Amino acid sequence: DAKTTQPTSMDCAEGRAANLPCNHSTISGNEYVYWYRQIHSQGPQYIIHGLKNNETNEMASLIITEDRKSSTLILPHATLRDTAVYYCLGGSYGKLTFGQGTILTVHP
Amino acid sequence: DTEVTQTPKHLVMGMTNKKSLKCEQHMGHRAMYWYKQKAKKPPELMFVYSYEKLSINESVPSRFSPECPNSSLLNLHLHALQPEDSALYLCASSQGGRGSNQPQHFGDGTRLSIL
Repeated sequence: DAKTTQPTSMDCAEGRAANLPCNHSTISGNEYVYWYRQIHSQGPQYIIHGLKNNETNEMASLIITEDRKSSTLILPHATLRDTAVYYCLGGSYGKLTFGQGTILTVHP
Repeated sequence: DTEVTQTPKHLVMGMTNKKSLKCEQHMGHRAMYWYKQKAKKPPELMFVYSYEKLSINESVPSRFSPECPNSSLLNLHLHALQPEDSALYLCASSQGGRGSNQPQHFGDGTRLSIL
């Protein structure tokens, strides 16, 4: 299982892009990179996932390095509602291993 | 709003009680999961069901007994729990079987307190 390393906490100004890094140097070839976030008292919310290529959806963009050892989640225009714990995970065949996550605080 | 529904939202039980947690999804997902989350910690995988068969058991103590009666329902039967089992129990589901690598969708959990 891939082990992931993320900054413990980050701040971002409202309206600016939030760039959340993740190191997953032990990820294996068939493991996807997933990003989830969790707001207090709720279950984790899926954001985006990818294997090799960069991905974009309505919530965020995912940039995966060519060697797949790290990735960056980009929230293009952060709002106060994006304040949450963001988890980067490696996983395959349904087995996800959550790391400690990054507490993102978006401030006015 | 989550499409994975967990009941009850809160549960308080004694160490000698028997209770069950319930999880339901109507998205046609064929893989379902139980996670345990202690306060200020990340979720930890407990069990995975794929096509209604137990696929992964992460060495969970036998006082936790999962059951998948059909493709939409997942139960977690609890018996003789310990105070350290107090946690948020999360259910998730994903499209296809567990090999499809589709993202998991989580419910909001059952907060369990053991007295």
